[in-house]
Formats: sequence, C-alpha cells, structure tokens
Amino acid sequence: TQLLEQSPQFLSIQEGENLTVYCNSSSVFSSLQWYRQEPGEGPVLLVTVVTGGEVKKLKRLTFQFGDARKDSSLHITAAQPGDTGLYLCAKNRDDKIIFGKGTRLHILP
Amino acid sequence: GAVVSQHPSWVICKSGTSVKIECRSLDFQATTMFWYRQFPKQSLMLMATSNEGSKATYEQGVEKDKFLINHASLTLSTLTVTSAHPEDSSFYICSAERERLYTQYFGPGTRLTVL
Repeated sequence: TQLLEQSPQFLSIQEGENLTVYCNSSSVFSSLQWYRQEPGEGPVLLVTVVTGGEVKKLKRLTFQFGDARKDSSLHITAAQPGDTGLYLCAKNRDDKIIFGKGTRLHILP
Repeated sequence: GAVVSQHPSWVICKSGTSVKIECRSLDFQATTMFWYRQFPKQSLMLMATSNEGSKATYEQGVEKDKFLINHASLTLSTLTVTSAHPEDSSFYICSAERERLYTQYFGPGTRLTVL
C-alpha cells in the first residue's frame, strides 16, 4: 500500500518556468519532510513541516502543508537547471520514515 | 551539521560472495540507524531499522538471513549482503537518527553491482 502519492511522477520544463509538485495521503501526517536527491547521492532534507497551513520558503522553493495535514505542495519559482533531481516527500510512521515514489524533475537549459 | 558516511561508495562483486557496507555517523551518536534500498528510477524502500546493542527490525519481505545488520556502536552500523545475486544489485542508503524522532541524516549511498 502506497501511503504517499506524489504527482506528477515526471516533469520536464524549461529554465525560468514555475512549477508545483504535490504529495497526498489519505491519513493525517504528524509531520512531513521534503527531500531532494541527485543521481548517485543520498537524499538531502529540504524542509520539515509540522503545523497545518504552514508555509515555509527556501529561496525559490515554497513548501505548503495542507490545513488538514493530509497533503503538501512544493512550488519552485523560476526553475534553474540546478533544481533538477528527484523530489521526495516523506512521513513518519511507527518511528520510521516512509517515502513517496517521488517526482523526477528535469529543468532544460 | 550532522554528517553520515558510507563505505564503500561503490562495489562490484561476483555472484555468491558477501559484501559488507558500513554506515558511520561522524559527528553525533545515533542509537538508531536505518537501511534503505533504491532500485533505478524508484524511491527509497526501507529495509530495516538498526538499533544499537539489539537486533535489527526488518520490514516485511526483507530476508534477515540475507541482509545481516550489526549496530555495534553508537556511530557504526553495518549491512552485509550474503551470497549476493544479480537481483541484489541496487543503491543502498543508510540514515542515522539524531535527537528528535523525525530528524534523520542520510549517507551518500553505496552502489552495489553483482555480476
């Protein structure tokens, strides 16, 4: 059973465009993390959101946690080739971190 | 910041041999470490939870006799893939838990290729 649904699975856009990727679950998150993973490397934590409705910004990245804490979004403004990677959302379940399948993002120069 | 290292970063072995992968927390103590496996173009799948001084807890479908985990100290966990086969070829990633329950730091991964 996939606890976390991420969409889209793949996204390829031109440099300078904006984009949003999503993470959804049928159950409530106690907290949710977003990671970025580049090929051949481990995932790197971008942000943790805890409070429903919370919005966090990390330079051109804006993370939003849904009011009901069942969904989250990541918006990237003016995408750059360096944003290319696999974006993973993750939640805690039974003292473990469970990852979604990820959104593979490719920014074309 | 918290740093987690893995060794080796890549390994190629023959079918039937055993391979040991190390995961170290370099600047903090980790009572709990986690081992993940990632196949090409897929997400990370949790294999097992490694607890210092006790037996590891394996996820459903992961063979504990094939993937031996030892967490002998607060900074080191090892994963041994025994009698490796080509289908075990994958990217193995560890993480170490620090302080709060929902803060894990990931290693850079180990690419295992079994010929």
